[in-house]
Amino acid sequence: AQTVTQSQPEMSVQEAETVTLSCTYDTSENNYYLFWYKQPPSRQMILVIRQEAYKQQNATENRFSVNFQKAAKSFSLKISDSQLGDTAMYFCAFMKNYGGSQGNLIFGKGTKLSVKP
Amino acid sequence: GAVVSQHPSWVICKSGTSVKIECRSLDFQATTMFWYRQFPKQSLMLMATSNEGSKATYEQGVEKDKFLINHASLTLSTLTVTSAHPEDSSFYICSAAGQESNQPQHFGDGTRLSIL
Repeated sequence: AQTVTQSQPEMSVQEAETVTLSCTYDTSENNYYLFWYKQPPSRQMILVIRQEAYKQQNATENRFSVNFQKAAKSFSLKISDSQLGDTAMYFCAFMKNYGGSQGNLIFGKGTKLSVKP
Repeated sequence: GAVVSQHPSWVICKSGTSVKIECRSLDFQATTMFWYRQFPKQSLMLMATSNEGSKATYEQGVEKDKFLINHASLTLSTLTVTSAHPEDSSFYICSAAGQESNQPQHFGDGTRLSIL
């Protein structure tokens, strides 16, 4: 079975600074996807960034980037130039790649990020 | 981008009532829909997976007679909480996926269910 671990229940960062959220996972699969989702107080689930396991290049989306270390099963999220609107819960998630169909997401427990003015 | 509509967003009802939550994919065909439950300050836990035209697959510990899932079309799945009790109060959220595994799932906005 796959597991996702987020070891930082809460973090804070000053506006405009950089913060890194940690995530490790455990799986025997070789083909999978990893995600970071943001859940603001409205409780919408917003996809921040996605990484395909077979791609060595780290995914980047504007101020958000990941450090994907497949051998170490680590998938951290770096937020640069933090903004007040980045305040939210952040969930790391794993999904097995079934090839022709979608699987469910397995979520970590989340990290509550507070961006301070 | 793809949109998933989930209704109602918030429902309060008396114990013993059955509540139906709808999840619709508005601009794509959702071959698979997932139902998650989230308790306050906790993560999302998968309750069940439904494929269009098939019976839902429930996770261990989820009562299929209590949480009825129907996925009758490629754009609509429903979750009915039957004879709801206060312990069923939670945040329920659906996600919908098309056929291609390289496309991300799309989440509804969730339903806050409060049973008095």
